[in-house]
Amino acid sequence: QKEVEQDPGPLSVPEGAIVSLNCTYSNSAFQYFMWYRQYSRKGPELLMYTYSSGNKEDGRFTAQVDKSSKYISLFIRDSQPSDSATYLCATNAGGTSYGKLTFGQGTILTVHP
Amino acid sequence: SAVISQKPSRDICQRGTSLTIQCQVDSQVTMMFWYRQQPGQSLTLIATANQGSEATYESGFVIDKFPISRPNLTFSTLTVSNMSPEDSSIYLCSVEGGTRYEQYFGPGTRLTVT
Repeated sequence: QKEVEQDPGPLSVPEGAIVSLNCTYSNSAFQYFMWYRQYSRKGPELLMYTYSSGNKEDGRFTAQVDKSSKYISLFIRDSQPSDSATYLCATNAGGTSYGKLTFGQGTILTVHP
Repeated sequence: SAVISQKPSRDICQRGTSLTIQCQVDSQVTMMFWYRQQPGQSLTLIATANQGSEATYESGFVIDKFPISRPNLTFSTLTVSNMSPEDSSIYLCSVEGGTRYEQYFGPGTRLTVT
């Protein structure tokens, strides 16, 4: 079993739709939860992060973590064609694992006009 | 944020040969990381490279197959040795962003082994 599971999609939505992206994880030691966005032929870039459980909002993006169910979510409101990319969830256990990120498979998102 | 470049951007290699990938950062960083992104798979950490010490490899990756150099605080190389088609992948380097959750990634090197 992979430590972080993510539905690879692909996911196709119309412009303006609300997008929900999700991951599950198995390691209870994970404390830091991130979402990276990767455009085609580019490296991933950090989009949002949360520490432990809770919600975090940044503009059109909301990240949620539920540690009791080991579930990570990213919501995109009013989606735009420029949001078309691969979205990767990632985790870190903290402590001595500084810098070691464990990624999900990535979900390919297409927002069509 | 750090700006990272990688060379080559892509290559097609024959099995049994080796390829060295270069990673250059525009600022000095302590920790650099090498990842592999296989088709349809997640990014997998190969090793962590700190300047002045031996690289630390993750389970499933060995130094003989993926030797790494880190001669200074802005540069690192990853060599993929004795390549087979299973090594076809995108190889990315990244650097620490000063926190546990942020890393800056290079654009990747797309390797195809025939």
